[in-house]
Amino acid sequence: KAGVTQTPRYLIKTRGQQVTLSCSPISGHRSVSWYQQTPGQGLQFLFEYFSETQRNKGNFPGRFSGRQFSNSRSEMNVSTLELGDSALYLCASRPGPKGAGGTEAFFGQGTRLTVV
Amino acid sequence: TQLLEQSPQFLSIQEGENLTVYCNSSSVFSSLQWYRQEPGEGPVLLVTVVTGGEVKKLKRLTFQFGDARKDSSLHITAAQPGDTGLYLCAGAGTSGGTSYGKLTFGQGTILTVHP
Repeated sequence: KAGVTQTPRYLIKTRGQQVTLSCSPISGHRSVSWYQQTPGQGLQFLFEYFSETQRNKGNFPGRFSGRQFSNSRSEMNVSTLELGDSALYLCASRPGPKGAGGTEAFFGQGTRLTVV
Repeated sequence: TQLLEQSPQFLSIQEGENLTVYCNSSSVFSSLQWYRQEPGEGPVLLVTVVTGGEVKKLKRLTFQFGDARKDSSLHITAAQPGDTGLYLCAGAGTSGGTSYGKLTFGQGTILTVHP
């Protein structure tokens, strides 16, 4: 069974630009969550999608957005990039929303975004 | 806001030593997961604990969930250089089931095991 696939693995962007990151969850998994990881703040929750609907949202500005497609693949977009957006962006896949066992998240390798 | 305090932040030990990492919160979690992360990679799930007081063993690793489901510990016996990495605890929410997908992470423990 293939794992969570994130593309691209590395990205360098200039301040003010926008970026789109992609995540393909494990086959059969319907929930996709996004996290930002930085040395100072650790792993912080961005948002979660299930069945193309955003179910949870973290405390990030509106420049951070996402969406999920009918095949459960997800994209996140960051507009008007700032230097502080440089981070490892991780996507996590879960089977679905119900039950404590459903809380187990399987992560992709991440996209390393550098804003210059 | 749910917070998880993880300690210690750094741990440098010799091969063969034992260690314990702690994860504490004032909030109740529906479950708690432990992950290990290598540089440049995503976190890899080690274990999920669900029931208060639960103890799970994974070879030389022992995980415990507090009775009140607010804290957890990871104990490694006879650490080996291959155990080196970033260890993360993460709690899943409880409110109505809609926050299961939101994991709250501790700051992580960077473990280095010297040969």
